[in-house]
Amino acid sequence: AQTVTQSQPEMSVQEAETVTLSCTYDTSESDYYLFWYKQPPSRQMILVIRQEAYKQQNATENRFSVNFQKAAKSFSLKISDSQLGDAAMYFCAYRSRTSYGKLTFGQGTILTVHP
Amino acid sequence: GAGVSQSPSNKVTEKGKDVELRCDPISGHTALYWYRQSLGQGLEFLIYFQGNSAPDKSGLPSDRFSAERTGGSVSTLTIQRTQQEDSAVYLCASSSRTSGSTDTQYFGPGTRLTVL
Repeated sequence: AQTVTQSQPEMSVQEAETVTLSCTYDTSESDYYLFWYKQPPSRQMILVIRQEAYKQQNATENRFSVNFQKAAKSFSLKISDSQLGDAAMYFCAYRSRTSYGKLTFGQGTILTVHP
Repeated sequence: GAGVSQSPSNKVTEKGKDVELRCDPISGHTALYWYRQSLGQGLEFLIYFQGNSAPDKSGLPSDRFSAERTGGSVSTLTIQRTQQEDSAVYLCASSSRTSGSTDTQYFGPGTRLTVL
C-alpha cells in the first residue's frame, strides 16, 4: 500500500517570502500522480498543483512550484512571494495510475503567513 | 457551473441514531468519491462510485457505513447506529474521468458530523 508522509505539522512564513513544504511517499509503482491540495478554514479542498510521475519536468503554477525527485520519492511544494491568502492546511496526495482514482493523503501541514 | 455541494453543512446527532449525508457532484461528472477527515486518522478514502456502481468500497470502516448513488448524480452516505468515533468531516469529491488520467477531483465543502 502507498503511504504519504508530511513531516512538518506546522510551518510559518513572512508575507512576500518563500516557503517550502515537504512531502515523501512510498510506493512500488513506477507510474502515478502527485498532488498538492490547499484547505482553508472554509474546509473546501482546492487543487494547487499536480505532477505526473513520468514527466521529469517540475510542475509550476504561478507562485507555486514543486521539486519532484522520483528516485528519492520526494515531492516538495515551494510557495514564492507568500500572501496572506496562502494561509491554510496543505495536503500532499498520491494517486496510482492504475487505481480507480482514490487519493492517499499525507497528514497535512498548517501554513501560517505573517504580515 | 456549480461546484460540488454537500448537505447538511453541520450535523449533530446522538449516539445510536442514523444519519444521512448528501453529495451533489458537478454536473456530468461520472466519478464520485467520499472521504473522511478526522483528527486521529487524517484524510481517509471511504468509497468510489463510477456511475451508480461502487467498484471500490475498501475504505468503509464498518458495516454501519453504506452509500448509494442514483441517476449517476446525487450520492448519499448513511451511517447507522452512530458512534462517537464517527465524528469527523465527511468530504465528497467528483471528477470527470477515472483510471489512467490526471483528472482533477473537485471537492465539496464537507459535512461536519458530531456524535454526542
